[in-house]
Amino acid sequence: AQKITQTQPGMFVQEKEAVTLDCTYDTSDPSYGLFWYKQPSSGEMIFLIYQGSYDQQNATEGRYSLNFQKARKSANLVISASQLGDSAMYFCAISGGSNYKLTFGKGTLLTVNP
Amino acid sequence: KAGVTQTPRYLIKTRGQQVTLSCSPISGHRSVSWYQQTPGQGLQFLFEYFSETQRNKGNFPGRFSGRQFSNSRSEMNVSTLELGDSALYLCASSPPGTGVGVSGTSSPYEQYFGPGTRLTVT
Repeated sequence: AQKITQTQPGMFVQEKEAVTLDCTYDTSDPSYGLFWYKQPSSGEMIFLIYQGSYDQQNATEGRYSLNFQKARKSANLVISASQLGDSAMYFCAISGGSNYKLTFGKGTLLTVNP
Repeated sequence: KAGVTQTPRYLIKTRGQQVTLSCSPISGHRSVSWYQQTPGQGLQFLFEYFSETQRNKGNFPGRFSGRQFSNSRSEMNVSTLELGDSALYLCASSPPGTGVGVSGTSSPYEQYFGPGTRLTVT
């Protein structure tokens, strides 16, 4: 079984500052992928970034980077230079083995203050 | 390329009725997954279809069912609706050849989500 834990129900950040959203995972699959999604109030899930368990380097996508620490089973999302439009729910998810599904955490509600 | 589309976007049903939700994946995608999102339980996996076959199923009662057509479009059905079925139902499609398998491939099992159908059961 796979499990994602997001311990921060809510986070606040000032515009233009960086913020880190925490994610820890548990899996018995030797090969897996970690994902971050953003969900605005409209409801649509927007894919942000992906990290494969065998990837040697941390993933980056524009202002998003994933701080992957395999030994600690953590995959934190770092958003640099926060913008007002970043205010949303953020979900960490894992997929592995041949089960072809994503297991999501409970999410973190990020609020960016002007 | 058009994204994942879901119809209807909003739906109000009465307890005991049944409902059918539709999902059209991104062109070329053959895998379609369904998720239920509620404030209490969060995002939960319902089932996944590939080439008209259910490959994976979540822990939901038999009232929840789905199917996929030859054009990859998918429907999910909920019979005998309960108040607790009120939720946002999200559909996602995945491009072919992706998946994190035991071979160690790093090809991500990307899932592209639709806007969801918000179902309210009264």
